[in-house]
Amino acid sequence: QSVLTQPPSVSGAPGQRVTISCTGSSSNIGAGYDVHWYQQLPGTAPKLLIYGNSNRPSGVPDRFSGSKSGTSASLAITGLQAEDEADYYCQSYDSSLSGLYVFGTGTKVTVL
Amino acid sequence: EVQLVESGGGLVQPGGSLRLSCAASGFTFTTYWMSWVRQAPGKGLEWVANIKQDGSEKYYVDSVKGRFTISRDNAKSSLYLQMNSLRAEDTAVYYCARGVGGWFDYWGQGTLVTVSS
Repeated sequence: QSVLTQPPSVSGAPGQRVTISCTGSSSNIGAGYDVHWYQQLPGTAPKLLIYGNSNRPSGVPDRFSGSKSGTSASLAITGLQAEDEADYYCQSYDSSLSGLYVFGTGTKVTVL
Repeated sequence: EVQLVESGGGLVQPGGSLRLSCAASGFTFTTYWMSWVRQAPGKGLEWVANIKQDGSEKYYVDSVKGRFTISRDNAKSSLYLQMNSLRAEDTAVYYCARGVGGWFDYWGQGTLVTVSS
């Protein structure tokens, strides 16, 4: 049961900038818990993309950036490339629900 | 190189049991929380359970409490998930993931569990 809401899909032409929103509530993002982002290429396991709201692990291009404000967070991809076509998930901690960690509903990014 | 390799998935009838394993290498297993995360076919990610470095603390999502048991063998650098009373809605790819500061920095390739008669 996902409690972080993401748009089902976003699309953009190569080189463009796209953003993915992740909307939570006062028991997760709004409570001050960090947001993390994962990229899942077709048929593969998720890969950590952003941690601690805006930090990139080693090897992740700086085209990917994250931010957080209030009860929401965003992932931005600038200079969109064909290899960015994938599913993206946000994740945080939730203090009220049945599970410690919650994921977003997921967003499919399509490169036109 | 950090590696997490899951095994043990397969086809099981409703009400049956299955034990998943995750073999870890390339890092000091005893210093990390470990989790299981699952993904139903065509669906999103769902955190299932996690376990503290020494196994003294374990947490589960409500939907699996009383049915699933997470455990680890630090001597073998291995993580396990014992799944009992399986239901159709447990059908998913199960990933083993390393936990760091509230996020998951490495994931295995996953093992598919199908619950069907």
